[in-house]
Amino acid sequence: EIQVVESGGGLVQPGGSLRLSCAASGFTFSNHWMSWVRQAPGKGLEWVANIKEDGSEKNYVDSVKGRFTISRDNARNSLYLQMNTLRAEDTAVYYCATGTYYHGAWGQGTRVTVSS
Amino acid sequence: DIVMTQSPDSLAVSLGERATINCKSSQSVISSSNNKNCLAWYQQKPGQPPKLLFYWASTRESGVPDRFSGSGSGTDFTLTISSLQAEDVAVYYCQQSYSTPRTFGQGTKVEIK
Repeated sequence: EIQVVESGGGLVQPGGSLRLSCAASGFTFSNHWMSWVRQAPGKGLEWVANIKEDGSEKNYVDSVKGRFTISRDNARNSLYLQMNTLRAEDTAVYYCATGTYYHGAWGQGTRVTVSS
Repeated sequence: DIVMTQSPDSLAVSLGERATINCKSSQSVISSSNNKNCLAWYQQKPGQPPKLLFYWASTRESGVPDRFSGSGSGTDFTLTISSLQAEDVAVYYCQQSYSTPRTFGQGTKVEIK
């Protein structure tokens, strides 16, 4: 069974940093693009970033460019999102999802709250 | 960025009746590399992550009931629920994967009338 499980969320002050992790199992992680998608409280879905199978290509939504970094460790079947200089508008549930053209598997999400 | 616009924002349909959700992209999402429409549909129930329903606009994900159908091409797409069931109450999103940033529609909330 394909499974992705996010962790690392929490409460952080504006300007702070947080690193999200996503542990993948049940599929050959190194053969798949991976993505992060977020959802602010009561709002819709927003694609954040994706990364190619070997990590050689990364894409970001403009609002996080220069602040967030997506990475992966294929030996550990893990995906990461390093979030720096966090803002209140980054408050959301962050989902790890498989794929780039469509997201076949999603985790339950990890909640990030940016507040003083 | 490609803007995805769904209509309506919400709809209430009687059990057993048809529900139709539209999604319009600000430019064509047909990939020149594979001639496919780079459009997916997701269902999100309260407190749950999204669930993939369709990809390439009309390819049904495994396990999705056949009362759901996806159609359209180019810039105009439709998700249809032919006979609404109580378990279909959810918010539905379209997403384009023609270019980055991948963008979602604002969502359409489907309720029981």
